[in-house]
Amino acid sequence: SQQGEEDPQALSIQEGENATMNCSYKTSINNLQWYRQNSGRGLVHLILIRSNEREKHSGRLRVTLDTSKKSSSLLITASRAADTASYFCATVVNTGNQFYFGTGTSLTVIP
Amino acid sequence: GAGVSQSPSNKVTEKGKDVELRCDPISGHTALYWYRQSLGQGLEFLIYFQGNSAPDKSGLPSDRFSAERTGGSVSTLTIQRTQQEDSAVYLCASSLGLGFGEQFFGPGTRLTVL
Repeated sequence: SQQGEEDPQALSIQEGENATMNCSYKTSINNLQWYRQNSGRGLVHLILIRSNEREKHSGRLRVTLDTSKKSSSLLITASRAADTASYFCATVVNTGNQFYFGTGTSLTVIP
Repeated sequence: GAGVSQSPSNKVTEKGKDVELRCDPISGHTALYWYRQSLGQGLEFLIYFQGNSAPDKSGLPSDRFSAERTGGSVSTLTIQRTQQEDSAVYLCASSLGLGFGEQFFGPGTRLTVL
């Protein structure tokens, strides 16, 4: 399976702290994307990092990609209660016709 | 509407009945995906449509599942003779171009098979 695996499965932090989630995958990719899912809703795209990029920023989000280790991390800085959600990584292979989603990290930010 | 819409939002059915789930993608998006998400799990790929090409059905779990996309826009996922293990949230997503980029998700249909 090319499915990504997120680590940890669950994370609970205090508001204001940083949250780091990791994603590992198995095969070569075109890009890797992170999505957020609030309870009972669809997924929302957060950030896309291409295979030739190593780091990308968007607001309080920082994503890194290490293709040699087939891993990525998502850092949320200065977390807020509203960041409470599940976070998924999705790997996109070069044929582009399948997204492989991981099992997700459930983040709880305590006010 | 500006986003992907799905209907119904909730569907409760009896085991053995057929169900149809509908997805309206964002206008102009050529790629359309169906996923299944069981409680507390990740997304399981079901089927992918790209323009007028033959769909990638490799993720469909059994021949009770089928999907079509009419006119390159609206898609319908049909589950025949539903089983209790089909209970899940069915998510639809669309994207531009060849499907390498951002996917836009609908809110999902929660299917409960009694």
